[in-house]
Amino acid sequence: DAGITQSPRHKVTETGTPVTLRCHQTENHRYMYWYRQDPGHGLRLIHYSYGVKDTDKGEVSDGYSVSRSKTEDFLLTLESATSSQTSVYFCAISERGQGSGQPQHFGDGTRLSIL
Amino acid sequence: SQQGEEDPQALSIQEGENATMNCSYKTSINNLQWYRQNSGRGLVHLILIRSNEREKHSGRLRVTLDTSKKSSSLLITASRAADTASYFCATDAGDYKLSFGAGTTVTVRA
Repeated sequence: DAGITQSPRHKVTETGTPVTLRCHQTENHRYMYWYRQDPGHGLRLIHYSYGVKDTDKGEVSDGYSVSRSKTEDFLLTLESATSSQTSVYFCAISERGQGSGQPQHFGDGTRLSIL
Repeated sequence: SQQGEEDPQALSIQEGENATMNCSYKTSINNLQWYRQNSGRGLVHLILIRSNEREKHSGRLRVTLDTSKKSSSLLITASRAADTASYFCATDAGDYKLSFGAGTTVTVRA
């Protein structure tokens, strides 16, 4: 299994609070991704990174920010959590970007509940 | 919006039977990938088929791709209880992301 660790694995918090999720990889892969998974929607890309300090928005980026100060760490921050952000969040990594035929490797997810 | 759409949404089969699920997509692709997700876990990459390929095998998995119909199928032969999972297709259109469908949930009964 690819070395991807997500923390925390579970979190319950209140509306309006900031939340930061961490993804740590030991594979030295250049690309990292944050997805959310909701019933009936599959996985939707929030943000991705193509190198240290290089990030870009995905299809559902509103209300989320990311940072990547080291190759191995990719942080997802909910600035002011809302109940619509209750979801399961997955981090993924890949050696090369899309179009190259490289698969993505996923962490085991963070289950986030916002009350 | 989702690029890939799986069909059926759910499938229940007896151990030893074959399971077939389909994926349709809307735009041209570079490749199509299938992933498996066990309950409470992340997605695991199963197989990738490029746009110039029509069929690919990996163990008990067989994937077909018909680019003229914009569809793909995943066949799992001789299913086992351990195949119980959700299966997702993901399309790579050469832009910045993979587009995932909502998945097919497969239950293999003993």
